[in-house]
Formats: sequence, structure tokens, C-alpha cells
Amino acid sequence: GDSVTQMEGPVTLSEEAFLTINCTYTATGYPSLFWYVQYPGEGLQLLLKATKADDKGSNKGFEATYRKETTSFHLEKGSVQVSDSAVYFCALSAHAGGTSYGKLTFGQGTILTVHP
Amino acid sequence: NAGVTQTPKFRILKIGQSMTLQCTQDMNHNYMYWYRQDPGMGLKLIYYSVGAGITDKGEVPNGYNVSRSTTEDFPLRLELAAPSQTSVYFCASSHWSSSTDTQYFGPGTRLTVL
Repeated sequence: GDSVTQMEGPVTLSEEAFLTINCTYTATGYPSLFWYVQYPGEGLQLLLKATKADDKGSNKGFEATYRKETTSFHLEKGSVQVSDSAVYFCALSAHAGGTSYGKLTFGQGTILTVHP
Repeated sequence: NAGVTQTPKFRILKIGQSMTLQCTQDMNHNYMYWYRQDPGMGLKLIYYSVGAGITDKGEVPNGYNVSRSTTEDFPLRLELAAPSQTSVYFCASSHWSSSTDTQYFGPGTRLTVL
């Protein structure tokens, strides 16, 4: 079945450091890929997404590129802020002839803490 | 526009008790989902609905039931609570069933079964 694997956390960085959170996936066909973020005490919200190979999703300084050849969707940000401290989830939604109903398969989440 | 709302925020149950987690969305979305999030794990799909009156099982449906009598509401029922159901529960909705569509999540219900 479909699966998503994220790098082990937690990740602790100083403000203005470069961030990479690795994400690889296994899926049949060509899934859509997402990064969701969960701030403390809140539900998940979409950070960015990419729906086909070589697409780059971006938002709030974060970027991720859909790499079909390496089945990866790594999240990057050039300069993190304290306000980026959150849990980050990589997820996929499979294209399956219209029967996927948008169901998401999530990675285990990566806790990011940014210190001033 | 409140988005997706969930009640209660927190609940402690004793083994064998029952309860209903409420979920309401005001975005007129057709598709709704229930996930559970265990510590250090990603979210797992419990049940989903593609419209009023239509529901189906997700990855981890055992011990839960759902109903969808209106577009807005999608309650999750626990009939005989077990410690294994201690988790954080998230409801989500989306407009379309497309794999490219964004899901909108509620703030979650933290449930502890003792």
C-alpha cells in the first residue's frame, strides 16, 4: 500500500538557519504530495502541495519539489524563524482512477523547534 | 466562516463508556474525514464520507461508528471505549474528492481512556 516516510525528529535549529526535512514516498501511480503544518494547540493546515512530477510547491518561504525519480518531496526553507516552530507532516493522496476520494496517507511528522 | 469545528476539545473516559465526537463544517464541503493521531505517529484515517448518507471505512475503523445525515455534520461515535483509543482525533473536510484537493482540519479532540 501507499506509505510516507519522514526523517526522524525532533529537529532543533537556531533562527536564520537552513532547514531541510526529508520525505520519501511509496505509491502506485502518480500521487499528489502535500506538506501540512501543525502549530501548537491547533489543527493541521496546508503549507504547500505539488500535483505532478517536477512541480515545486512554495509558501511562506518554504519550498518542496516533487521528484518522481527519487520518490521524494523534501521540505526546505532558507532562513527559519522562531514562529516556524511546529510539527510538519508530509502526506500523499493517490491518483487511483477517481476512487481515492482524496484520502491522505501521512508520514509520522517531524517536530521543529527554532531557538532565538 | 468558522471552517471546521470540533467538540469537545478534551475528554476523559472510563473503559467501556461511550461518547460522540462532534464535527461541523460551514464550507459546504461534500467530503469529510476522521483521523486519529497517536504520539510520534502520523494521522490514520478512521472513516470518511463522500456526502450526506454515504460513509465508508478507512484504515483503522474498528471500535468506531459514523453517520452523515447532513452536509455540515459528521459525528464519530465510540461505543465501548478502550485504552487503545486514547489519541487525538481530527476531523477534516474538502470540497472535491480529487487527489489534488486541500483538506481543511479542525482543531482536534484529545481523548484519554482510563
